[in-house]
This record gives sequence, C-alpha cells and structure tokens, in this order.
Amino acid sequence: DTGVSQDPRHKITKRGQNVTFRCDPISEHNRLYWYRQTLGQGPEFLTYFQNEAQLEKSRLLSDRFSAERPKGSFSTLEIQRTEQGDSAMYLCASTRQGKSTDTQYFGPGTRLTVL
Amino acid sequence: GQQLNQSPQSMFIQEGEDVSMNCTSSSIFNTWLWYKQDPGEGPVLLIALYKAGELTSNGRLTAQFGITRKDSFLNISASIPSDVGIYFCAGQTSGSRLTFGEGTQLTVNP
Repeated sequence: DTGVSQDPRHKITKRGQNVTFRCDPISEHNRLYWYRQTLGQGPEFLTYFQNEAQLEKSRLLSDRFSAERPKGSFSTLEIQRTEQGDSAMYLCASTRQGKSTDTQYFGPGTRLTVL
Repeated sequence: GQQLNQSPQSMFIQEGEDVSMNCTSSSIFNTWLWYKQDPGEGPVLLIALYKAGELTSNGRLTAQFGITRKDSFLNISASIPSDVGIYFCAGQTSGSRLTFGEGTQLTVNP
C-alpha cells in the first residue's frame, strides 16, 4: 500500500487569495477526513467523506472553506479569501469503513502560511 | 463538545528511562489511539485500542484502554533518541471523527 499523499506540502499565499489542496487516500479506502492543526495543538476535525458523499462538517468549516471528493477517490479542500488565521497544517486521513478496525491513517499534511 | 486532557504537556528524560503519559476524557469513546508526530509531518499511528480494559504492546510501547472508556495511557520503555517527538492520544466513536489531545512533547537526552 502506498500511504496517503497530499499536495502541495507547503503553500505560502497572500491574504485574500484562494488556495486549493489535494489529498489522495490509500487505495480502496472509502472514507476520507480533513483536519486542521495549529501550532502546539492537536489536529481538529473539519469534514469527512464516505465515497463521494460529504457526511459531516465541523462548525470550524466556515463558508470560505469547501471540500469535494467528486469521484470518491482524491479530495480537494479550497479556502477562499484566505485570512491570516487560516495559517495551519491541513491534514488528510483515510480509512476503509466496514472493517472491524477502521483506523485512520494520515498524510504528511499541507503547511499553509497566509501573509 | 468532547475534550481530551493529555498529560504531561512535555517531558525531558535521559536515554534508557521509561516514560508514561495519559489521556482522560469527559466522554466515553469506543476506540483509543496513540499517534506520534515529527516536525512538519503527519501523525503516525503507534497503537490502536478497541476494547475497554485492553492492554496492547507494540515493541517498547504499551498502551491500555481504561475500563471506564474515558481514559488511556501510553508507556515507552527504555527510551532512545529517536523516540523524540510529539505524542497524541485520540478518541473515536464508531467510524467518525477523531478527537485529539493537546500532545505530549518528549525530549530524550542521550
């Protein structure tokens, strides 16, 4: 199995710009999760998909954030009109729902810096 | 909402010493997990616990799922320099989001 991959690994942008991140889950993993992690904190849940359906969204996910998983494989997370407070590590995780042990495996993350 | 209290926040130990860290929750979880995170990387799964009272080992690591389902601990025996990193506990109810603790920063002096 190749692991969860995320692209880009680092993104620096100016306030007000839009950014988009991509996550490729482990092959055959039908659930995909997005988390955000700020410095000195544990990851916080943003949203998750089962196949192409977005099943849950955290209240952390403001209307400037949108996530998609159009074909039930890779997912994208877009942030519009970025703010300095959006600076964080954005982590993706995947799992195979239905197994008795649906452990989430994380990608390396995308580090976003908003200037 | 659910919160996990993880302690200690940081530990400074000598190589060869044993380490213990724990997590407590105000809510019940069905699964407890322990992850390690290196700087600039995503969390890497160390141990997963699925039953109350379960004690599981992975090499020098041992973790237990508390009988009340509201707590868990992780022990590392005979620490080595590559154990340095941030250790996170995470709780999960069935198939849903993970709720993470705030992490324990471990420093191992050679």
